Amino acid sequence: DAKTTQPNSMESNEEEPVHLPCNHSTISGTDYIHWYRQLPSQGPEYVIHGLTSNVNNRMASLAIAEDRKSSTLILHRATLRDAAVYYCILLFGNEKLTFGTGTRLTIIP
Amino acid sequence: KAGVTQTPRYLIKTRGQQVTLSCSPISGHRSVSWYQQTPGQGLQFLFEYFSETQRNKGNFPGRFSGRQFSNSRSEMNVSTLELGDSALYLCASRFVGGRSYEQYFGPGTRLTVT
Repeated sequence: DAKTTQPNSMESNEEEPVHLPCNHSTISGTDYIHWYRQLPSQGPEYVIHGLTSNVNNRMASLAIAEDRKSSTLILHRATLRDAAVYYCILLFGNEKLTFGTGTRLTIIP
Repeated sequence: KAGVTQTPRYLIKTRGQQVTLSCSPISGHRSVSWYQQTPGQGLQFLFEYFSETQRNKGNFPGRFSGRQFSNSRSEMNVSTLELGDSALYLCASRFVGGRSYEQYFGPGTRLTVT
């Protein structure tokens, strides 16, 4: 399985943008980059995914480096509800989700 | 659309007993996956079922088994429970087809083995 590396924890002020990095230097050409998050006492929740181009949805944006060896999840205006563990996962086709340790995001009011 | 539901939400069992957990996927989702979450090991994949067949399996002992019914509902069974089986068990469903690989997780079943 291709591996991802994320910082263990990050802090951000409420109502400011948050950039969550993920390194995946061994990514293959067919791996999609997925992001999930897990809020306290809940199951993981899909956030966004992409292959090569940057992606936007109502929750976040995903910026993918040109060489695809890294990506950044962007929360444009963090709220207290965004406090969660964020997981960056590489996935090809019907493979299982392999969760790492993720980044614990703390939002400071 | 109703989300993924899991029953029961909480369960306390004794070592040596067996337990069955249930998962009802989102309507139209034919793939159901099971995960175990513990503080020490994090989120680990157990197995995936699609159209009543196990399609993928993680590295867990044979005491962990599952099945899927024709209506896509799935059950997971753990026999001869050990203290280390105490965990949050999550199931996730997915629509198979097209390019959508999003998995939708249920709230989990918190199993405590004493």
